[in-house]
Amino acid sequence: QVQLQESGPGLVRPSQTLSLSCTVSDDSISSGTYYWSWVRQHPGKGLEWIGYIYYSGSTFYNPSLKSRVSLSVDTSKNQFSLKLASVTAADTAVYFCARQRWHVAWLDHWGQGTLVTVSS
Amino acid sequence: QSVLTQPPSASGTPGQRLTISCSGGSSNIGSNSGNWYQVIPGTAPKILIYSNNRRPSGVPDRFSGSKSGTSASLAISGLQSEDEADYYCAAWDDSLNGVIFGGGTKVTVL
Repeated sequence: QVQLQESGPGLVRPSQTLSLSCTVSDDSISSGTYYWSWVRQHPGKGLEWIGYIYYSGSTFYNPSLKSRVSLSVDTSKNQFSLKLASVTAADTAVYFCARQRWHVAWLDHWGQGTLVTVSS
Repeated sequence: QSVLTQPPSASGTPGQRLTISCSGGSSNIGSNSGNWYQVIPGTAPKILIYSNNRRPSGVPDRFSGSKSGTSASLAISGLQSEDEADYYCAAWDDSLNGVIFGGGTKVTVL
């Protein structure tokens, strides 16, 4: 059973960069079968897709976040990462990593999520 | 405001059939498949329906999905108390070149 686990600071200061990693178990990012995604959920709100990355480094981003988001992948560690720059309180959310099929909204395995609070 | 429109809430009694609608457009549901997720607060989203009407293994057959034109629907037959959750539709959008989610529907079992 594929497992994904997010890790990173739970508190980020305004204007700083949010950095999270997702470690994948029982699947290989390098297999090339899937894309690897980030989704967030603001407190009490709905889901928002941030973007996804392929093992080759190819990325697709949500246009609303594209100017601030960067995804990267480390196949040697079977990990992928999210960086979100210039954060504000509006970026406070639970961040999920997930496994996704190419160009469809089918995310079949998810991490448990990690709450990131932006506050001074 | 979400590009995919869902009713904010729905409710039913145990054993009832409940249907949740998801209205989209030509660049998303109209040209790509509809997918449905169940979110129980404090837990990770769970895929219920993919490719319009397919259920992953382990999802009870009381959950079913359909698509017609630019709209998708999720039906829950034989509603159970454990079905209380938030339900989100999702689709790939060719204009945005990304995934869009509906605003979510909170299901209450009376």
